[in-house]
Amino acid sequence: QKEVEQNSGPLSVPEGAIASLNCTYSDRGSQSFFWYRQYSGKSPELIMFIYSNGDKEDGRFTAQLNKASQYVSLLIRDSQPSDSATYLCAAASGSARQLTFGSGTQLTVLP
Amino acid sequence: DAGITQSPRYKITETGRQVTLMCHQTWSHSYMFWYRQDLGHGLRLIYYSAAADITDKGEVPDGYVVSRSKTENFPLTLESATRSQTSVYFCATVDKGSGPQHFGDGTRLSIL
Repeated sequence: QKEVEQNSGPLSVPEGAIASLNCTYSDRGSQSFFWYRQYSGKSPELIMFIYSNGDKEDGRFTAQLNKASQYVSLLIRDSQPSDSATYLCAAASGSARQLTFGSGTQLTVLP
Repeated sequence: DAGITQSPRYKITETGRQVTLMCHQTWSHSYMFWYRQDLGHGLRLIYYSAAADITDKGEVPDGYVVSRSKTENFPLTLESATRSQTSVYFCATVDKGSGPQHFGDGTRLSIL
C-alpha cells in the first residue's frame, strides 16, 4: 500500500514568516512529487513539482526532495494571508504516473 | 479554453439509484483520472485511463464503473449508489502522464 504522510497541522504562522510543510512517502518507486494548494470548496491547484533531489525554487516557494530519506518539503517565504489554505503533497508512480495524496496540512497565515 | 468541465457540480440522489458524473476535457490529454475526496482522507484514486478504451483501477474502485469511448470524455458511474459514496469527486488530466495533473472544479455528490 503506497502511503504519503503529511504533518497533520493545523499550522499557523504570522504574516511575513516562513511556513514549512513536510511530507514523507513509502513507495521508493515514486518518480515525481507535487504540491497542490486547495482553498475551501475549491479544486486542488498546482503550486510546485519536483523530480530530482535537491531544491527547486519558484518565487516565494521552494520545494525540497530527498529520495534517500523519502522526504519532500515545501517552504513558503514571506507568507501572506492569501496563502491560507490546505496544502496537499502527492507522489506519482506507475505507468500513468498515478498520484497518491497525503491528507493535507491546513495552513493559516495570521495578519 | 474551458480545460476540464465536470458536470453536474452538485447532485443529490438516493441509495440504490444509478448516477453518472461527467468529465470533459478540451486539451486532448492522454490520461484522465477520477478521485474522491473525503474529510481526513485527502484524494484517493478511483479509476484512470491512459487513452480511449483503456482504463484501469485505482485505490478505491469498488462500486464504480468507468468508460472512455472518446479521448475527451471520461464518465464515472455509480451503478447502485450507497451512502458511503457521498463525497466530492474530482476529475484530472495530464498529457502523456509525465507532467502535473490538472483538476476540474469537482462534483459534490450527496447520497441520502
